[in-house]
Amino acid sequence: DAGITQSPRHKVTETGTPVTLRCHQTENHRYMYWYRQDPGHGLRLIHYSYGVKDTDKGEVSDGYSVSRSKTEDFLLTLESATSSQTSVYFCAISEGDKYEQYFGPGTRLTVT
Amino acid sequence: DAKTTQPTSMDCAEGRAANLPCNHSTISGNEYVYWYRQIHSQGPQYIIHGLKNNETNEMASLIITEDRKSSTLILPHATLRDTAVYYCIVRVDRNYGQNFVFGPGTRLSVLP
Repeated sequence: DAGITQSPRHKVTETGTPVTLRCHQTENHRYMYWYRQDPGHGLRLIHYSYGVKDTDKGEVSDGYSVSRSKTEDFLLTLESATSSQTSVYFCAISEGDKYEQYFGPGTRLTVT
Repeated sequence: DAKTTQPTSMDCAEGRAANLPCNHSTISGNEYVYWYRQIHSQGPQYIIHGLKNNETNEMASLIITEDRKSSTLILPHATLRDTAVYYCIVRVDRNYGQNFVFGPGTRLSVLP
C-alpha cells in the first residue's frame, strides 16, 4: 500500500468551529488531492495540489481551504464547520498528472 | 469526460471468475478506462487502467472492446475479500486538475 496516512481518523466537532485535517505521504509524490464522499454523490474533488505551495480548487471547494508547505503534507481546513460538511474525507496522491491516484484510509468528520 | 454505465450489483461464487462490465459508449480517443474498488469504508483502491489494448496485472485483467465502447474487468479467481464496490471511470489525461469522478459503481458480492 502507498504510504499515506490521514489524521485524525475520526472527529466530532460543533458547528462554527475550525477543523484541520492532515494528509501525510512518504512516497514523495508531486500531486495530492482531497475528496469528500457522501451517499448518493460518490467521491467529489475539493482541492488538489500539484507541488509545494501550488494548489487549485476542485468541484466542491466552497468552505474549504488547503495548504501545502512541504511535499509530504497536505492540510485541509474547514474555516467554520457546518453540518453539510459532515462527510468522509479522503486524501489521494499521484506521481504525476498522467498516473493513477492512491487513496488514504479516510477521515470521518461529524459536525453537530 | 465520458460517462459510464455499470450494473448496480452482481454476485459471484468464490473461486470463480468475476466479470464486471462497463459501458462507455461516448468515450473519445484520448480517454483512458480506469478501474478502482472500495472495500467497505476504506479508501478506493486502484486496480488497473488501459487505453485500447487489453491489460493484465497481478490483481485483474481489463478487456476493452475494439470500438472501445465497453470494457470488462476480470477477477480470475474471486475470493471473499474481493467483495467491494467496483468503479469504472473514463478520464482524459490533462496536464493539471486530474480528478476521478466516481459514480455509483457495481457492488460485487463474492459468495462462499
